[in-house]
Amino acid sequence: QVQLVQSGAEVKKPGASVKVSCKVSGYTLTELSMHWVRQAPGKGLEWMGGFDPEDGETIYAQKFQGRVTMTEDTSTDTAYMELSSLRSEDTAVYYCAGSTGTTGGAFDIWGQGTMVTVSS
Amino acid sequence: DIQMTQSPSSLSASVGDRVTITCQASQDISNYLNWYQQKPGKAPKLLIYDASNLETGVPSRFSGSGSGTDFTFTISSLQPEDIATYYCQQYDNLPHTFGQGTKLEIK
Repeated sequence: QVQLVQSGAEVKKPGASVKVSCKVSGYTLTELSMHWVRQAPGKGLEWMGGFDPEDGETIYAQKFQGRVTMTEDTSTDTAYMELSSLRSEDTAVYYCAGSTGTTGGAFDIWGQGTMVTVSS
Repeated sequence: DIQMTQSPSSLSASVGDRVTITCQASQDISNYLNWYQQKPGKAPKLLIYDASNLETGVPSRFSGSGSGTDFTFTISSLQPEDIATYYCQQYDNLPHTFGQGTKLEIK
């Protein structure tokens, strides 16, 4: 059974960085295309970036260019998302979402979410 | 970026009702359209992929149709456990944009 298990909640001050982890079990990270999606309180889903298998590269949403870095450690099957220069508007639940390829490009596996609170 | 417009933004229906949600893309996305269900405090769950394919294990009362720019999501007979917010998502072009969501409530 495939599972994505994320790291715990974080509280950060404005201007700081946060790094969220997403551990894969039941699959290997190389078998997934990993993406990150966030959801501000009471708001909808926002795609931040992810692996594009056609290009073999990680692509970031323009909104987060220069502030976000998504990395993978295949030795531990763990993906990471680091967001820098945090501001209050970055307060949100951050999800890792994987595409196994069995459902087209859909995100068929999701982590449980990590709440990141940015507050002075 | 491709804009995804969902309607309605909220919907109240009775158990057993047929429920329909629409999603319109700002440009042709072929059938690269997925539907997710999100219950309060939980991660989204894939229901329909590539516009009309039912994800494994999802009840057959859920269905999807459409191609190009206009898509429809249907629950044939609403059940109490279907109370959730539903999102469409396109993946024809980056960024993978979501609709704004449809909150479904029981009347």
